[in-house]
Amino acid sequence: QVQLQESGPGLVKPSETLSLTCTVSGGSISSSYWSWIRQPPGKGLEWIVYTYYSGSTYPNPSLKSRVTISLDTSKNQFSLELTSLTAADTAVYYCARSISWGVFDSWGQGTLVTVSS
Amino acid sequence: QSALTQPPSASGSPGQSVTISCTGTSSDIGGYNYVSWYQQHPGKAPKLMIYEVTKRPSGVPDRFFGSKSGNTASLTVSGLQAEDEAYYYCSSYAGRVEFGGGTKLTVL
Repeated sequence: QVQLQESGPGLVKPSETLSLTCTVSGGSISSSYWSWIRQPPGKGLEWIVYTYYSGSTYPNPSLKSRVTISLDTSKNQFSLELTSLTAADTAVYYCARSISWGVFDSWGQGTLVTVSS
Repeated sequence: QSALTQPPSASGSPGQSVTISCTGTSSDIGGYNYVSWYQQHPGKAPKLMIYEVTKRPSGVPDRFFGSKSGNTASLTVSGLQAEDEAYYYCSSYAGRVEFGGGTKLTVL
């Protein structure tokens, strides 16, 4: 069974760039789609971006200008960069595997990122 | 504001059935069979319960049933159990992934 684990800083300053990494175990990253999803404290889920091992990426149009996703097949990892952070980006960030469009069947435990000076 | 509309809360007694709705438009729920439902307990990651409107992943009890009519999808939980108390989120794909605002299911 595939397992995912997010890693990255818990605190980032406004206007800076957030970098998160998701390490996949129990399966190859060179298959399926992979995504980042976030959840502000006490609020609902927001999809951020999809990627496929071929390098194709599909960002949420509302975040497109600030989002970059990349894969490292040698490490079985994929990463998220989100630029120009504001307090509104404070959230638990999840990485997930997608087996179909909008279908996320495996999730990491999530990592809380707080944007504050 | 979420693109998909869910009631903020729902409740039922143990053993009863409860249905949670998720309303979209003809551009998302009504136009595609890419509706999923996720269960989330406090402090935990969401768990996939239903996908492609009616399909259940392996390990999800058949007490969970998904359906769709027009622009509204529904999740029915029958034989309510204490562990079903959680937040439930619907999602739809229409060129982008949209989530509902979530429904807190309380087992009385």
